Amino acid sequence: DQQVKQNSPSLSVQEGRISILNCDYTNSMFDYFLWYKKYPAEGPTFLISISSIKDKNEDGRFTVFLNKSAKHLSLHIVPSQPGDSAVYFCAANSGSSNTGKLIFGQGTTLQVKP
Amino acid sequence: NAGVTQTPKFQVLKTGQSMTLQCAQDMNHNSMYWYRQDPGMGLRLIYYSASEGTTDKGEVPNGYNVSRLNKREFSLRLESAAPSQTSVYFCASVISGILLYEQYFGPGTRLTVT
Repeated sequence: DQQVKQNSPSLSVQEGRISILNCDYTNSMFDYFLWYKKYPAEGPTFLISISSIKDKNEDGRFTVFLNKSAKHLSLHIVPSQPGDSAVYFCAANSGSSNTGKLIFGQGTTLQVKP
Repeated sequence: NAGVTQTPKFQVLKTGQSMTLQCAQDMNHNSMYWYRQDPGMGLRLIYYSASEGTTDKGEVPNGYNVSRLNKREFSLRLESAAPSQTSVYFCASVISGILLYEQYFGPGTRLTVT
């Protein structure tokens, strides 16, 4: 049973436009959400996070929105750049305190075309 | 400061062979994790160590064992490799506390079992 789902395997956008990556979750006990970015042949790197007490967190070109009632979060990248082309994973804490355990979605491959 | 390092980068095993994947971090992090990444499956937690001296099973522990050798090192052992263990393996670490969920990942080990 996939508790964190990214239903779009891939997304292609034009440079300068907005990229919107989506993620849905099923467990209402999740209270912290993260996005990771992964380039080929590298490990994932942390991008941005949001606590369930907020509905928005912004860091430069990256904004994460959380809709708790819909159990949905999204990552907005504005403006998109070719260097943003990567696989993006959303993740949620497992609900276990003090373990740092995360549950990841399947990933969305973003291609930003020049 | 090398961050999280993993050895080897690539490995090919025959069914039934054993091997140990090594992971080390130099960031004085308390918690360490082993994940596997398979196409369409995202990252799945195999084992984790919340602190030195403790280890616990994750989502997919069957066929693996781990050792938290000291605070820096966390190894993953395949006792009798199977083709289903063909995957990319990532080690991660995180400091405990408020940033508990923002994990740092190593570059990965690509393992093929024939």
